[in-house]
Amino acid sequence: DTGVSQNPRHKITKRGQNVTFRCDPISEHNRLYWYRQTLGQGPEFLTYFQNEAQLEKSRLLSDRFSAERPKGSFSTLEIQRTEQGDSAMYLCASSSQRDVDTEAFFGQGTRLTVV
Amino acid sequence: DAKTTQPPSMDCAEGRAANLPCNHSTISGNEYVYWYRQIHSQGPQYIIHGLKNNETNEMASLIITEDRKSSTLILPHATLRDTAVYYCIVRVRHYGGATNKLIFGTGTLLAVQP
Repeated sequence: DTGVSQNPRHKITKRGQNVTFRCDPISEHNRLYWYRQTLGQGPEFLTYFQNEAQLEKSRLLSDRFSAERPKGSFSTLEIQRTEQGDSAMYLCASSSQRDVDTEAFFGQGTRLTVV
Repeated sequence: DAKTTQPPSMDCAEGRAANLPCNHSTISGNEYVYWYRQIHSQGPQYIIHGLKNNETNEMASLIITEDRKSSTLILPHATLRDTAVYYCIVRVRHYGGATNKLIFGTGTLLAVQP
């Protein structure tokens, strides 16, 4: 399967702990997005990378959140000092800039539960 | 990006056509209409998009009104596996380095009944 891969699929953590999620996009895609989705809501945009450059960050991305894409391939999303309100599904998507008709492909997501 | 309005839920009988409406009365001339769907516990899946002409692919058809203020996604022969939340999104398609982020609403939960 050459789709977008996210790990882990599920994460349970205690409040105050740090967590890190990984996203492996489709190999030829240079654009990468992170979204967050809470129960009953549509996904909300968090941040966007083109290659290794982080070009846009949502106001939802507080100082406790940081995302990286060091070599323009995989990306990580870290949440420091987790809070119960961080419990959500974190989705990663990728797309290609070269082909303007290529739309975003999403991974299965990482479901975070903060207890 | 323009906002969209969708009914919160719809039912459809298996094998029948599912017609999902979307209102986007404030759409701008350079904004496209996109449809994604999200099956339970999965990431969203791209279905189709269009600017002003009707579009069809292997998954669905998209009918956009002449004034572009509304559209309808048509699943010609709905199956149980089409049960999902369907999102209608309008946005400008950016080129170069600008983001092509998606702004999701709450969508329409389509329940296909056997």
